[in-house]
Amino acid sequence: DAGVTQSPTHLIKTRGQHVTLRCSPISGHKSVSWYQQVLGQGPQFIFQYYEKEERGRGNFPDRFSARQFPNYSSELNVNALLLGDSALYLCASSFGTGGAEAFFGQGTRLTVV
Amino acid sequence: GENVEQHPSTLSVQEGDSAVIKCTYSDSASNYFPWYKQELGKGPQLIIDIRSNVGEKKDQRIAVTLNKTAKHFSLHITETQPEDSAVYFCAASNYGQNFVFGPGTRLSVLP
Repeated sequence: DAGVTQSPTHLIKTRGQHVTLRCSPISGHKSVSWYQQVLGQGPQFIFQYYEKEERGRGNFPDRFSARQFPNYSSELNVNALLLGDSALYLCASSFGTGGAEAFFGQGTRLTVV
Repeated sequence: GENVEQHPSTLSVQEGDSAVIKCTYSDSASNYFPWYKQELGKGPQLIIDIRSNVGEKKDQRIAVTLNKTAKHFSLHITETQPEDSAVYFCAASNYGQNFVFGPGTRLSVLP
């Protein structure tokens, strides 16, 4: 059984650029959440999508956006990258929304230079 | 909003000893509490979880306890092994809401 897959695994971008991160959830899971994990800290919630609708948004600027596709895969987009956006971006897949078991992918390590 | 505290930040134990990690949460509406293990370079792995209608749950060497009144929950690992070395995160959520994570505990199991 394939777990949560994220691409790419590593990415280096320059300040001011745009980035798109991708996530494929576990088969049958309809909810995808995105988290940002800065080195040495716990993951911070960015977005949750369920059945292609946004169900929650964390305290992140409008430079961050996301969407979910009909096959339940998801994209996280970040515009006008800042050095502080350097982090591990995690995607979590669950069958339903909060209170359901959530399984994380291996993450995308974004470095902004 | 919810706030989750976690202690200790680092923990070293001898192989075979027990390890305990404690978390507190602030929102009494939270009702789901998962624990994740994160190894270097990997995403968090769900190892055990507990819901607010249960006081204790056990899975082989791992157990979690929940005290709703005190808003505390704890992870207990018995007979620790070197492969238990990792960073452990607790989290709390309310149905329909996102997870709020604690800052993590780095566990080192010394052979």
